Amino acid sequence: KQEVTQIPAALSVPEGENLVLNCSFTDSAIYNLQWFRQDPGKGLTSLLLIQSSQREQTSGRLNASLDKSSGRSTLYIAASQPGDSATYLCAVRFTGGFKTIFGAGTRLFVKA
Amino acid sequence: DAGVTQSPTHLIKTRGQQVTLRCSPKSGHDTVSWYQQALGQGPQFIFQYYEEEERQRGNFPDRFSGHQFPNYSSELNVNALLLGDSALYLCASSFMTPGTGADYGYTFGSGTRLTVV
Repeated sequence: KQEVTQIPAALSVPEGENLVLNCSFTDSAIYNLQWFRQDPGKGLTSLLLIQSSQREQTSGRLNASLDKSSGRSTLYIAASQPGDSATYLCAVRFTGGFKTIFGAGTRLFVKA
Repeated sequence: DAGVTQSPTHLIKTRGQQVTLRCSPKSGHDTVSWYQQALGQGPQFIFQYYEEEERQRGNFPDRFSGHQFPNYSSELNVNALLLGDSALYLCASSFMTPGTGADYGYTFGSGTRLTVV
């Protein structure tokens, strides 16, 4: 069964700390992996998209890596800020289908 | 460049009623996917529409149906509403390269919050 798991479920850090969010998936045959941010009660905002042929993507203070062989991706957030507080979701599109499967998310709280 | 637009933003319905949610995809996108997100959970795939046909369906009952129009916009219909249908309904649009299956990721709308009482 194709599944996406995110650990930890929740994380609280002081402002300025660098942090890593983890995503694991059960099948290495993927088209792409996408990281999203979701504020309470809102829609999803795309942060980074990594295609199957890529190893990492960077945008500002964010860096996402992809290791298909181990079924893992990490989202690195540098110098965290209170405005980074949100739920971060990992989503994987596996080959052999068209749907994208989401993890349950990591709820991040950055304390000022 | 308009993103994904969903309407309405909020909706309250009574058990047993029917509801229609609407979605306009991002300009240049031809594929629309619908997701249901319960509180505290990740989005669950309902179905995907491409070329006005349902291309793939998740584990949802037949009470959930949809449609895609020639302009790529889409509707999600839910019949015989249950209390458990209360959730945030998200529409995502994307573009897939014909013949390869490759896509460039999802763009999501702000969602429709459905409350069933």
